[in-house]
Amino acid sequence: DGGITQSPKYLFRKEGQNVTLSCEQNLNHDAMYWYRQDPGQGLRLIYYSQIVNDFQKGDIAEGYSVSREKKESFPLTVTSAQKNPTAFYLCASSIQTGQPYEQYFGPGTRLTVT
Amino acid sequence: DAKTTQPNSMESNEEEPVHLPCNHSTISGTDYIHWYRQLPSQGPEYVIHGLTSNVNNRMASLAIAEDRKSSTLILHRATLRDAAVYYCILRAYSGAGSYQLTFGKGTKLSVIP
Repeated sequence: DGGITQSPKYLFRKEGQNVTLSCEQNLNHDAMYWYRQDPGQGLRLIYYSQIVNDFQKGDIAEGYSVSREKKESFPLTVTSAQKNPTAFYLCASSIQTGQPYEQYFGPGTRLTVT
Repeated sequence: DAKTTQPNSMESNEEEPVHLPCNHSTISGTDYIHWYRQLPSQGPEYVIHGLTSNVNNRMASLAIAEDRKSSTLILHRATLRDAAVYYCILRAYSGAGSYQLTFGKGTKLSVIP
């Protein structure tokens, strides 16, 4: 089955540590996205990538970094510079960004930093 | 950014139709209207999208007002599995060959057995 996988489902870290969230897709999609969701809120865009080796900042990129070395993978690093890292993180992909295609979302990673 | 307005919550009885409204009075001519839904602790799921004409798919129907300032998502027979937060989103062109989704808080739909 094609889809998006995110791991782990739950992640716990101490304050001051960097942490990397995994996102893999086998849909052969060019575009990938990272969103953050806080309780009772909608999703906010962190970063997106239109093609391999290219990515753009979203609305709340500060304190985050990404890479896109392979078409299938778009890992997100939450750095110690992110002031409020505890949140639900969602990865998504779409055929491309240049048309209003639907986005397919992964199951999410819930990150707790104490 | 184009904005949408949705009721915070709605209730429906099981097996009855549900009409979820969305206002988007500042919509521009190139904005697509997308609907997604999110079950608790899961990623959002695409439901339907349209530009000007009404649209139907296996999940729902989308009715778009003639002036495009509002739209309605129609679930023809609500089931318990349809209980979720429904997001109405204007997928706007954000430059550099890219369309983005901007999520609001959505409408929480409760389905009563």
